[in-house]
Amino acid sequence: QVQLQESGPGLVKPSQTLSLTCTVSGGSISSGSYYWSWIRQPAGKGLEWIGRIYTSGSTNYNPSLKSRVTISVDTSKNQFSLKLSSVTAADTAVYYCARVLGGSYAYYMDVWGKGTTVTVSS
Amino acid sequence: SYVLTQPPSVSVAPGKTARITCGGNNIGSKSVHWYQQKPGQAPVLVIYYDSDRPSGIPERFSGSNSGNTATLTISRVEAGDEADYYCQVWDSSSLVVFGGGTKLTVL
Repeated sequence: QVQLQESGPGLVKPSQTLSLTCTVSGGSISSGSYYWSWIRQPAGKGLEWIGRIYTSGSTNYNPSLKSRVTISVDTSKNQFSLKLSSVTAADTAVYYCARVLGGSYAYYMDVWGKGTTVTVSS
Repeated sequence: SYVLTQPPSVSVAPGKTARITCGGNNIGSKSVHWYQQKPGQAPVLVIYYDSDRPSGIPERFSGSNSGNTATLTISRVEAGDEADYYCQVWDSSSLVVFGGGTKLTVL
């Protein structure tokens, strides 16, 4: 059974770049027609989709974050990563990675990591 | 951008039926997915493609979608169903959209 695990610094300074990695275990990140996604959730608030990547490297981003987000994939390590630049306190959240299934403009996340908390503070 | 509207809270007595709505413009033309999130945990997919259940999700969970409203129905509610529930769609302009979430309280 596929499992996902987020990793990265729990504290990032304002204006710097947040970097997280999601490691996929129990299956190859390249197998099947999957996208891989990042979602975040500020404390006490709802879910916000950040973006997704296909193993070919094709990406889609949330329009509201697009200018600051880069998602990449390393198939040799069975990982995909998130970089969010110029962070502020508003980027403080629990960050989740997830596997994306679906097609024909009907995509959903069927497997999620446990999440990692990132705090933006000096 | 596409907006999904959920009631902030729904309360139900044990053994009764809970209905959580998700409103959106012509949402019936889209596929709606639902997630359950318990405190301190990651979301779990409970309904996809409007009404399909992933393996391991009880039959008590069902979904429907028509017009401007999608509904998650939980029959014979149990204390363990208490959680936040989020609807989600794919929109051609906004891409992935989540509803604001509904807190289900079991009285």
